[in-house]
Amino acid sequence: GNSVTQMEGPVTLSEEAFLTINCTYTATGYPSLFWYVQYPGEGLQLLLKATKADDKGSNKGFEATYRKETTSFHLEKGSVQVSDSAVYFCALSERGAQKLVFGQGTRLTINP
Amino acid sequence: NAGVTQTPKFRVLKTGQSMTLLCAQDMNHEYMYWYRQDPGMGLRLIHYSVGEGTTAKGEVPDGYNVSRLKKQNFLLGLESAAPSQTSVYFCASSGSIRSIYEQYFGPGTRLTVT
Repeated sequence: GNSVTQMEGPVTLSEEAFLTINCTYTATGYPSLFWYVQYPGEGLQLLLKATKADDKGSNKGFEATYRKETTSFHLEKGSVQVSDSAVYFCALSERGAQKLVFGQGTRLTINP
Repeated sequence: NAGVTQTPKFRVLKTGQSMTLLCAQDMNHEYMYWYRQDPGMGLRLIHYSVGEGTTAKGEVPDGYNVSRLKKQNFLLGLESAAPSQTSVYFCASSGSIRSIYEQYFGPGTRLTVT
């Protein structure tokens, strides 16, 4: 079946550091890929998405590129802020499917 | 426009008790979902609905029932609570199968079963 694997957390960085959170997936077809973010005490919010190979999703300074050859969708940001502290979830959806499959989440803490 | 709301925010149950969690959305979305979130497990889909009057099983449906009598509401029931159902429960909704990835989440319900 389909699955998503994220790098284990927690991840702790200093403000202005470069961020990478790894995400790899297993899927039988050609899924769409997503990153969701969960701020403390809140539900998840869609951060960015990519629907086909080589697409780059971007939002709020975050980027992720859909790499079919390595089945990966790593999240990156060049200079993180304290306000980026949250839990980040990678997810996929098979074409025509009615649901998402989530990774286990990666907790990110940014220290000033 | 409140988005997705969940009631209650917190609840403590004893083993064997029953309860219903209410999810409401005011975005006229067709699709609604119930997830549970456990440490290190990400979100796991319990049940979902593709329209009023429909329900379908997700990844972990055992011990739960759902109903979607009105388009804007999706109820999650626990008939006989067990400690293994201690979790944070999230409801989500989306507009259509073309945009199911754009799921809007509620703030969650933290349930403890003792």
